[in-house]
Amino acid sequence: AQSVAQPEDQVNVAEGNPLTVKCTYSVSGNPYLFWYVQYPNRGLQFLLKYITGDNLVKGSYGFEAEFNKSQTSFHLKKPSALVSDSALYFCAVRDAGNTPLVFGKGTRLSVIA
Amino acid sequence: EAGVAQSPRYKIIEKRQSVAFWCNPISGHATLYWYQQILGQGPKLLIQFQNNGVVDDSQLPKDRFSAERLKGVDSTLKIQPAKLEDSAVYLCASSSSGRDGDTQYFGPGTRLTVL
Repeated sequence: AQSVAQPEDQVNVAEGNPLTVKCTYSVSGNPYLFWYVQYPNRGLQFLLKYITGDNLVKGSYGFEAEFNKSQTSFHLKKPSALVSDSALYFCAVRDAGNTPLVFGKGTRLSVIA
Repeated sequence: EAGVAQSPRYKIIEKRQSVAFWCNPISGHATLYWYQQILGQGPKLLIQFQNNGVVDDSQLPKDRFSAERLKGVDSTLKIQPAKLEDSAVYLCASSSSGRDGDTQYFGPGTRLTVL
């Protein structure tokens, strides 16, 4: 069965600095990988996904993620963090076919002005 | 394009009472999902519908939870009777095909508190 690990409960970064939120995964076949963001009292908003092709995926709000098959990782990155990026970030993975989307436990990002 | 709609946004009930949540997916999306998100955890899939048929309900506690999508559009999730451990946010999501790299779009959720 597929699984996701987000090793950091909390990431703190200064505004203007680059940010990285880590994610590693486990699937039996080729993975489909997703990042979502959740603001307080809101549902999950889709940021980006990897299906196939270029290992660097660009998404909404200046975020990007790098797929690394050998390290089974899909870390979320942004070159310059904004205070408004402060939120809860979820990595998710699914296997091919009609398998369920499995989420990590989330990483809380705090961007300090 | 309108997003996924859910109601109510908040609900407080006593244990052993019943409660129902409603979801209207993005127009044209064949696949609808219900997730349970307990505080401090990621969402966990409860049930997946493809049109009006159930694809996966393996993690739905069927002794107390039920869900339906009778006309293949909107859906209702019911809990009867509720337990304290059912306190969570219930998220509805929809996607066009439900397979592989298909993106799921989420509604705002219903926060349930069971006292």
